[in-house]
Amino acid sequence: GENVEQHPSTLSVQEGDSAVIKCTYSDSASNYFPWYKQELGKGPQLIIDIRSNVGEKKDQRIAVTLNKTAKHFSLHITETQPEDSAVYFCAASPQQAGTALIFGKGTTLSVSS
Amino acid sequence: GAVVSQHPSRVICKSGTSVKIECRSLDFQATTMFWYRQFPKQSLMLMATSNEGSKATYEQGVEKDKFLINHASLTLSTLTVTSAHPEDSSFYICSPGASGGAATQYFGPGTRLTVL
Repeated sequence: GENVEQHPSTLSVQEGDSAVIKCTYSDSASNYFPWYKQELGKGPQLIIDIRSNVGEKKDQRIAVTLNKTAKHFSLHITETQPEDSAVYFCAASPQQAGTALIFGKGTTLSVSS
Repeated sequence: GAVVSQHPSRVICKSGTSVKIECRSLDFQATTMFWYRQFPKQSLMLMATSNEGSKATYEQGVEKDKFLINHASLTLSTLTVTSAHPEDSSFYICSPGASGGAATQYFGPGTRLTVL
């Protein structure tokens, strides 16, 4: 089955800096790669996703890149703000009906002002 | 995105009692429902997958007789933790899925279960 590795487990940056979180996956059949932000005591919120027919996707300060050959994808947050502080999870899935997401272990991002 | 609700948001119960958690997909026909649990400072772990009108499929290590899942309609799925014990204390989160598998995956707000 699918296995998703995520690094780093913790990341501390100064406000305004960029943050990069990286994930690798094992199942070449995976073709859907979402990123979630989870604040304490809340469910995961989708912040951006990418499908295997594109290599990069951007939404304001957030971007995701995908390298299918190397089986890795990354989240990039630019101009970080204190409110970006949270736990971020990557996930992968073949996106077929009835197939669940497999999550990485999460990255705790701390943005200090 | 899809609107998913869970009830209750948090529950505290005594050891040995049963607790029912409801998950509603408010604007989305959920032919599939994924149930996850999350222990403190850990990632989400899939517990089971249910399809509307049929039995759930449980992940290895998850007791189907302890975690009863009902998915009787396209908008409601329930997870019942039977004879709860302190080790069942966790954050339970549901995620509806549509047929075809092309839809983005959204999650409920979660239910914090504490078993005393």
